[in-house]
Amino acid sequence: DAGITQSPRHKVTETGTPVTLRCHQTENHRYMYWYRQDPGHGLRLIHYSYGVKDTDKGEVSDGYSVSRSKTEDFLLTLESATSSQTSVYFCAISEWAGGSYGYTFGSGTRLTVV
Amino acid sequence: QQQVKQSPQSLIVQKGGISIINCAYENTAFDYFPWYQQFPGKGPALLIAIRPDVSEKKEGRFTISFNKSAKQFSLHIMDSQPGDSATYFCAASLFSGTYKYIFGTGTRLKVLA
Repeated sequence: DAGITQSPRHKVTETGTPVTLRCHQTENHRYMYWYRQDPGHGLRLIHYSYGVKDTDKGEVSDGYSVSRSKTEDFLLTLESATSSQTSVYFCAISEWAGGSYGYTFGSGTRLTVV
Repeated sequence: QQQVKQSPQSLIVQKGGISIINCAYENTAFDYFPWYQQFPGKGPALLIAIRPDVSEKKEGRFTISFNKSAKQFSLHIMDSQPGDSATYFCAASLFSGTYKYIFGTGTRLKVLA
């Protein structure tokens, strides 16, 4: 998957605790994205980054923050986890492949907030 | 304005049949329309994409049909196979430094052997 690694793959956490998810890429892509996937909602953009220390909000950014101190790492933090943040989180990079422009996604992190 | 409406939510097709998934959008500024395929436990993978200046694009058994005036586009899977059983997402995007996709809600396709 274009050298994209998400960690952890699964996590269970308690309501009110902070949680950090990590996305690591090995191919020096400039743009990185965090999406969440929920039944009936498809994939929704949380935050994205267009370079080191350059980030911007997506459509569902409330309750989330991100950081990118190195090109290869894009971190998503749930500041105080809530049950509504139980979801599958995907990191993506954007690239040209086979004549088409698109996202390449990681394998996802399944987060459960209890 | 930013929504992409996808239908049907689920679809069952016999092997060898044609699978058709439809999407509609409102924002006429969207300029890129990809389709993604997702297998259980995996991230979505780019399947095929089209720009609004093209009415149809075909790649193997997969075809996108695009109707700009109706603001609709669809994915056709010809000769559907059990290995095509997956969830399919349409998306639309406007280029603004990068593409930030608005995804449809997904269609779960099952192809019966």
